[in-house]
Amino acid sequence: SQTIHQWPATLVQPVGSPLSLECTVEGTSNPNLYWYRQAAGRGLQLLFYSVGIGQISSEVPQNLSASRPQDRQFILSSKKLLLSDSGFYLCAWSGQGHQPQHFGDGTRLSIL
Amino acid sequence: DAKTTQPPSMDCAEGRAANLPCNHSTISGNEYVYWYRQIHSQGPQYIIHGLKNNETNEMASLIITEDRKSSTLILPHATLRDTAVYYCIVSARGNNDYKLSFGAGTTVTVRA
Repeated sequence: SQTIHQWPATLVQPVGSPLSLECTVEGTSNPNLYWYRQAAGRGLQLLFYSVGIGQISSEVPQNLSASRPQDRQFILSSKKLLLSDSGFYLCAWSGQGHQPQHFGDGTRLSIL
Repeated sequence: DAKTTQPPSMDCAEGRAANLPCNHSTISGNEYVYWYRQIHSQGPQYIIHGLKNNETNEMASLIITEDRKSSTLILPHATLRDTAVYYCIVSARGNNDYKLSFGAGTTVTVRA
């Protein structure tokens, strides 16, 4: 069966520091991969999605970037974190067509 | 994605069926109905999806009206662990439409 792993589960970072969140998927090939952010008490906002290695689409302009160095690895990065980058970051994967997205357990990021 | 309308909250008794309604009156012919739930501090969990036929899996049943303008998610025997926010989403998926738009959802509280 397919599984998705995200780490770390919780992260506290100072303003201006870099960020790297990693997500990996097991048990499937060529998945679509997604990064979402959920602000406190708000809905999910799609940040990036990828349909293949090296292919990244950004949904909203922001202080973050994403990369997909391997088929089942998706990385969310920032060179300098802002206070507004705080939130709950979720990685998801899906198959092709109308197959549903499946989410990881998320990373709760606090910026001090 | 077409807009969906869900009641903001509902209570149900443990052991009874929970029927969660969703209106999607502007749904297009190629859009699927997806249901997810999110338990506090966790990532969204996929429940079920369908196009026009009723669907059932180990978690729930999905009843879609013949005109596809509304649907009902049925949890056959609610438990305390089913307490969560439930999201109804419509999406074409697979047609370069990768975004799942999570609205406010329905907060379901299962009471002993």
